[in-house]
Amino acid sequence: DIVMTQSPDSLAVSLGERATINCKSSQSVLYSSNNKNYLTWYQQKPGQPPKLLIYWASTRDSGVPDRFSGSGSGTDFTLTISSLQADDVAVYYCQQYYSVPITFGQGTRLEIK
Amino acid sequence: EVQLVESGGGLVQPGGSLRLSCAASGFTFSSYWMHWVRQAPGKGLVWVSRINGDGTVTNYADSVKGRFTISRDNAKNTLYLQINSLRAEDTAVYYCARDMYTSGGDWFDPWGQGTLVIVSS
Repeated sequence: DIVMTQSPDSLAVSLGERATINCKSSQSVLYSSNNKNYLTWYQQKPGQPPKLLIYWASTRDSGVPDRFSGSGSGTDFTLTISSLQADDVAVYYCQQYYSVPITFGQGTRLEIK
Repeated sequence: EVQLVESGGGLVQPGGSLRLSCAASGFTFSSYWMHWVRQAPGKGLVWVSRINGDGTVTNYADSVKGRFTISRDNAKNTLYLQINSLRAEDTAVYYCARDMYTSGGDWFDPWGQGTLVIVSS
């Protein structure tokens, strides 16, 4: 199984400042035949299902604000929020869909400082 | 509009059984891989199971293998999860989710709102 480890577990950032969340996979999720990283980021607010933010590690989903960006390749990935807004308070999860069982990181709780 | 609506959750005693349903609309249900993901109260997301479009291929997390059965009725546009021998640790919100594309092996979008299963005596 591919283990996904996020850091930190929680993060407090001031409004307008940058927030960075890391995700590390226990093995590469880069598929060599298409050079794509099978890594997704979701945002989850209380009482709601997860919302897709980023797929293929760095492609923003339609309608997602451009302050959200994803980067990384292979085993190390980062979700960056360039200028934190109050609406960004949530738990963020990375997920690998490279192989079954599909696995998620443990989540990172993002709060306002 | 693409929509997934779960139902069937509730309070059940340890050792009991439950069948969860996920009604799909707004897309060609039979063309997509479908998934169940659960989330225990205050905890993270855990993938449970998936099934291909015609129901011939299924996969399970090791933690539920032998107790959970995923199935689908494409005529009814409905996904199911049969849960047997329920344990306290099965208490969770259960989400159904669709693979993004019909080819499978993709991220999940959309997700349903979830149905809560509570296992308690």
